[in-house]
Amino acid sequence: IAGITQAPTSQILAAGRRMTLRCTQDMRHNAMYWYRQDLGLGLRLIHYSNTAGTTGKGEVPDGYSVSRANTDDFPLTLASAVPSQTSVYFCASSDTGHYGYTFGSGTRLTVV
Amino acid sequence: QKEVEQDPGPLSVPEGAIVSLNCTYSNSAFQYFMWYRQYSRKGPELLMYTYSSGNKEDGRFTAQVDKSSKYISLFIRDSQPSDSATYLCAMRTYTGGFKTIFGAGTRLFVKA
Repeated sequence: IAGITQAPTSQILAAGRRMTLRCTQDMRHNAMYWYRQDLGLGLRLIHYSNTAGTTGKGEVPDGYSVSRANTDDFPLTLASAVPSQTSVYFCASSDTGHYGYTFGSGTRLTVV
Repeated sequence: QKEVEQDPGPLSVPEGAIVSLNCTYSNSAFQYFMWYRQYSRKGPELLMYTYSSGNKEDGRFTAQVDKSSKYISLFIRDSQPSDSATYLCAMRTYTGGFKTIFGAGTRLFVKA
């Protein structure tokens, strides 16, 4: 089934630990994005990649890093997790010239 | 002031009612307007997108954009319990790079 796969589905993480959220798409979309969704704040862009080999910072990039080694994969790494990074994380992708995004099902992360 | 404002609700209506969901925005550079539907514990899915002012209809859904008032709406006719979800508006501009801003979402409950 074409779409975006995110892993893990949920995770409880101790503060200070390092964690990588995985995102893979099979639609050959050029652009990929990481958002966090918090109650009352909506979706906020963390990092994005317009094409393989390039990345950019979004609205809330601090504490997060990404890489885009190929078209399909866009992992998000929390170097040293803090409780304020407790959120639901969504990976999304879009095709060139198309303004809508395809989202994954999300990763629910709790940092304790 | 947020660039995009959306009433979080919840909005509760009886089955068969006409639903009106709205967003206001402050950035006149927004050119593309989208509505996403998000079911509980799922990722958002693109429902409709429009360019500039006017109406666009797709089945029971109508998206309306009034750029002069900086106001967009989504109307749902003959609402069904399966329409119960959170609806997010999103707006996109290309000014020195693409920028998409999401509203915080309105929770809708359609009662059978």
